[in-house]
Amino acid sequence: EVQLVESGGGLIQPGGSLRLSCAASGFTVSSNYMNWVRQAPGKGLEWVSVIYSGGSTYYADSVQGRFTISRDTSKNMVFLHMNSLRAEDTAVYYCARTQSPYTAELDYWGQGTLVTVSS
Amino acid sequence: DIRVTQSPSSLSASVGDRVTITCRASQRITSYLNWYQQKAGKAPNLLISAASNLQSGVPSRFSGGGSGTDFTLNISSLQPEDFATYYCQQTYSTVYTFGQGTKLEIK
Repeated sequence: EVQLVESGGGLIQPGGSLRLSCAASGFTVSSNYMNWVRQAPGKGLEWVSVIYSGGSTYYADSVQGRFTISRDTSKNMVFLHMNSLRAEDTAVYYCARTQSPYTAELDYWGQGTLVTVSS
Repeated sequence: DIRVTQSPSSLSASVGDRVTITCRASQRITSYLNWYQQKAGKAPNLLISAASNLQSGVPSRFSGGGSGTDFTLNISSLQPEDFATYYCQQTYSTVYTFGQGTKLEIK
């Protein structure tokens, strides 16, 4: 059974850093594209980042240069390193899998972890 | 980046109604368009991939269509469990983008 479990969220001051983790089971993260998607309170979904099976990474303009996606194949985990955090980064962050590299739909999602950026 | 515009942003309908939600991309994306349903406090759930491929376990009252820049999500006969927020997402470019969402409410 495919499962994704996020962790690492919490309250952080503006300008601070945080690392989110996504533990995967039931499949191998290095064989799939893995994404982070966020949702600010009461707002819509915002795609944040993807890491391809080949290792290429891409980011939304809003986080480019501040966030870094990575993975640890030995632990079957994906990470989102977030630096220079701003109030507008406050959101629930979801980890999501892409099974097909051709159509890239997000077929499995975790339950999300809340990041609050506030002084 | 490719912008994706959904309409309407909200919709009131009754059980048994047929509804259509529209998604328009700012440039041609062939069929790289997916639809998700999200209920309050839950993660999104994939309904349709590649514009028209219904996911396993999704009721057949849901259907998707379109290509190029204009896409639709249709629900043929609304059920109580369908009242939720729906999002489209383009995956044509390396920077994926979601529409702003359509909240479907009970009339």
